[in-house]
Amino acid sequence: DAKTTQPPSMDCAEGRAANLPCNHSTISGNEYVYWYRQIHSQGPQYIIHGLKNNETNEMASLIITEDRKSSTLILPHATLRDTAVYYCIVRRLGEAAGNKLTFGGGTRVLVKP
Amino acid sequence: ETGVTQTPRHLVMGMTNKKSLKCEQHLGHNAMYWYKQSAKKPLELMFVYNFKEQTENNSVPSRFSPECPNSSHLFLHLHTLQPEDSALYLCASSPDQDRAEAFFGQGTRLTVV
Repeated sequence: DAKTTQPPSMDCAEGRAANLPCNHSTISGNEYVYWYRQIHSQGPQYIIHGLKNNETNEMASLIITEDRKSSTLILPHATLRDTAVYYCIVRRLGEAAGNKLTFGGGTRVLVKP
Repeated sequence: ETGVTQTPRHLVMGMTNKKSLKCEQHLGHNAMYWYKQSAKKPLELMFVYNFKEQTENNSVPSRFSPECPNSSHLFLHLHTLQPEDSALYLCASSPDQDRAEAFFGQGTRLTVV
């Protein structure tokens, strides 16, 4: 699976949109982009995933560039409860080798009042 | 509440003890996983079970022994652990092993003394 690069940390203001970047320049055509987050002392939480089209759900929006080499997770109105480590993961699906979700260092997001 | 329940939440054990971690899900998922999260390190996949069959053992020492009696329950049996095995142990489930939308439990914080 392709590797991803994320900034180690970022701050954002409560009530404002938080834009979290992820680079995945070696992504191949059948690899999806997944986002998870981990709030302190909890297990990771699935947020959203996409292949090439932009996606939106009740938690966030995912914008994938046309060349698919990078993406941005958007939290439209950040709250203090969104403070967490956010992980961008690229994974090929349909393999029989098991669910090798490989977590990197992620981005530590601090939402400030 | 993710639908994946882990017990106990905290465990302190001596190096000669035998203990078991339990994970339960009633989401109708067919794949279950054990992950280990040590301080300041990314999550590491330990084991994958798909339809009760183990499909992945990520070079885990034999002092960790998984058991999956049915698709809803997963155990991790621990014996003669070392202090460096102290970590957060996370269980996850997904519809099958090829789907990366995994749901994680809250984890068991294990301390080996």
